[in-house]
Amino acid sequence: GNSVTQMEGPVTLSEEAFLTINCTYTATGYPSLFWYVQYPGEGLQLLLKATKADDKGSNKGFEATYRKETTSFHLEKGSVQVSDSAVYFCALSERSSNTGKLIFGQGTTLQVKP
Amino acid sequence: DSGVTQTPKHLITATGQRVTLRCSPRSGDLSVYWYQQSLDQGLQFLIQYYNGEERAKGNILERFSAQQFPDLHSELNLSSLELGDSALYFCASSVVGGGLLNTEAFFGQGTRLTVV
Repeated sequence: GNSVTQMEGPVTLSEEAFLTINCTYTATGYPSLFWYVQYPGEGLQLLLKATKADDKGSNKGFEATYRKETTSFHLEKGSVQVSDSAVYFCALSERSSNTGKLIFGQGTTLQVKP
Repeated sequence: DSGVTQTPKHLITATGQRVTLRCSPRSGDLSVYWYQQSLDQGLQFLIQYYNGEERAKGNILERFSAQQFPDLHSELNLSSLELGDSALYFCASSVVGGGLLNTEAFFGQGTRLTVV
């Protein structure tokens, strides 16, 4: 079945450091890929998405590129801020499916220290 | 604010009891999804309704059930509660029922259920 695997956290970085959170997926079809962010005490918010191979999703300085050959969708940011501290979830949805359900990775906690 | 409203925000109940969680989707969204977030299982898809009909089922226990009403709000009923049911339950909504190609799912803030 379909699945998503994320690097384990927590990830602790200093402000302005470079961030990479690895995400790989297994899918029988051709999925859309997403990164969601969960700030403390809040629900999930869509951070970025990509719907086909080689697409790059970007938002708020975060980027991720859909790599079909390596089945990956790694999240990167060049310079993190304290306000980026949150839990990040990689997820997939089957594009041609009759359901919009999301399959999530286990989440990666990011803590950014001043 | 995502536009998805979940009530209550917190719920504490005893084992063996039954509770109902409520979700109001964003205006215009026809699909409602329920997810469970727990420390050991992570974020798991439970069930989806689209325009009043069940569309997809995930890892939902038989003790749990859901429905979507004509006004499109949804309720998740959890019965014979066990300690292991303690979790954060999220509702999400989307315009479409199928793959999220040109749209997205919007999440509520969740209901934190504690079973004691």
